[in-house]
This record gives sequence, C-alpha cells and structure tokens, in this order.
Amino acid sequence: ETGVTQTPRHLVMGMTNKKSLKCEQHLGHNAMYWYKQSAKKPLELMFVYSLEERVENNSVPSRFSPECPNSSHLFLHLHTLQPEDSALYLCASSQFPGQGGYGYTFGSGTRLTVV
Amino acid sequence: GQQVMQIPQYQHVQEGEDFTTYCNSSTTLSNIQWYKQRPGGHPVFLIQLVKSGEVKKQKRLTFQFGEAKKNSSLHITATQTTDVGTYFCPYYGGSQGNLIFGKGTKLSVKP
Repeated sequence: ETGVTQTPRHLVMGMTNKKSLKCEQHLGHNAMYWYKQSAKKPLELMFVYSLEERVENNSVPSRFSPECPNSSHLFLHLHTLQPEDSALYLCASSQFPGQGGYGYTFGSGTRLTVV
Repeated sequence: GQQVMQIPQYQHVQEGEDFTTYCNSSTTLSNIQWYKQRPGGHPVFLIQLVKSGEVKKQKRLTFQFGEAKKNSSLHITATQTTDVGTYFCPYYGGSQGNLIFGKGTKLSVKP
C-alpha cells in the first residue's frame, strides 16, 4: 500500500464510452497530479491540483476532464477517447510546492485500453 | 528551455556487476530527485539531492550531485536481479515547477 490508491487497476473502454478514474491519497498532501505513461513516451504531466485548485493543464485534450472535490480525492473523467489514449494513467500526490525533499508518491496506476 | 538528459537509455549487466546512470542538465538545478520503477509497477521515490557536491548512500546505491549542480549520477554496486527497472531523475520545471520526467535508464540484470 503506497498511500495513494487508484481504481480501477485495469479498464477497457470503447471510443464512445464515458468512464472515470479515481485516486485517493491518505498522506495529508495538498497537491495531486495526473500523469500519462505510454510505451513510446516518457511520463507526461497532464494536470496539477494544489489546494483543490487546478494550477496546471499541459495542453491536454478536452476529452480528459479532471476533478478534485477535496485534497484527498482526484478524478479523471474520460469520454470519446481514441485508441492512442491507451496508456498507464498514474496519480501522484505531494506537498506543494513540491521541493520539500519527500518526493511524489505515486499510485499503482490504471492501465487503460481504448478499443 | 531547461533540459535534463539521462544516459544510457538502456543498460544490460550481469548480476554482480556495477551500474551507473547519469543525468546532465543544460542549466543549474535547484535540486534533483531519483525514482525507480519496477516492470509493471509505478515510480517510487528514492532520494532528493540539494547541495552542491552532495553524496548520499542507500545500501548498494550511491547518489551524487555535481559541484556545479548541473549533473547527477546513481551508482549501484554489485547489481542484483531486484535492481531491475527504470531509473528516473526528474527535475522541477514547467510553469508551476512540477516534476518533469525524462525517458530514464532501463536496467536489466542477467542472473
């Protein structure tokens, strides 16, 4: 148990489906992040929430919609995805600003396959 | 913009051999972190280096931060099969100073 829990672990969805990824952290951190990791690209930072406000959105397509209802929970809502969106989606948390020496704590990820 | 390059991208070693991966930045870094991701796993924080010339050890792992704070290295002594994985040296960047990851170094260990 890493202190950051992601569900589901695996998800297969059609291009017309709507689904949501969930992340919960039990570490008392005040920042949460979504990263995308695919076979061909390094870890890509998608969204950053600090104190429940979105502070960074790295040109992510609108078919990905994040939500942070409180400092412990983070969602990624998915709709009309493309096959190239198939990847491992990782949630992480930290103290913000994140240079306090303790690093980011990652969840185990959701392996998403779009068919 | 700031770039941190990590070499080598892949390294295959025989169990018991030493291994080193290097990270080189085009600009001075305020600090650098190291993470390990096992196959099928997620990145796990190993350490943060902050001071110029800093050296830290964790059992068989030795981390160094260069005097100019523009490079860093991770050295593993006498590799074991449990060392298999990808090692990353992300840096703080972007508009809000968040962790930016590169491709890392993928280590395989032959028993």
